Amino acid sequence: EAGVAQSPRYKIIEKRQSVAFWCNPISGHATLYWYQQILGQGPKLLIQFQNNGVVDDSQLPKDRFSAERLKGVDSTLKIQPAKLEDSAVYLCASSFRGGSTEAFFGQGTRLTVV
Amino acid sequence: GESVGLHLPTLSVQEGDNSIINCAYSNSASDYFIWYKQESGKGPQFIIDIRSNMDKRQGQRVTVLLNKTVKHLSLQIAATQPGDSAVYFCAENASGNNRKLIWGLGTSLAVNP
Repeated sequence: EAGVAQSPRYKIIEKRQSVAFWCNPISGHATLYWYQQILGQGPKLLIQFQNNGVVDDSQLPKDRFSAERLKGVDSTLKIQPAKLEDSAVYLCASSFRGGSTEAFFGQGTRLTVV
Repeated sequence: GESVGLHLPTLSVQEGDNSIINCAYSNSASDYFIWYKQESGKGPQFIIDIRSNMDKRQGQRVTVLLNKTVKHLSLQIAATQPGDSAVYFCAENASGNNRKLIWGLGTSLAVNP
């Protein structure tokens, strides 16, 4: 079974630039999550989709972050404009149903903002 | 070896020894707990879970213990191997909270050959 695919693996940008991350969840998984993980900390949920609808985006900095999952499969997370404190690993995860009970994680995209 | 996850974030053990990673959770209403393993450069990987109506659950070489009285969770790894080297996170989940996971800070386990 193919896992959660993310790209790119690494990205370095200057502050105030824009960046986008892509995620392809496990086939058949209705729930998709985007997490931000700062070094040494646990993942922080940014947004949760159920099919193509948003279930929870309470911790998403909406002034600069946006995410979409138009067809209920792939998803993109965008940051515009980026700040230094956005440097982190951005993890995508998916699960068959909601509840994060057994979410499968991708390898993540390591973003460095300079 | 044994650690308190939030106060001693690094645990170093000898190969073959048993490891105990501890976690103090915050919400007395949490009813579901998960341990994740995260190797360098990878996303977290599910290890084992336990519901609040249990106090112990065993998997392959791993055991999770839950003490609801003191809100404490532990992960025991038997016969620790070099491949067990990773950061271990506990996560709690409270019903009615949209099942959102609340993650701990993590404990780094280093296995010495």
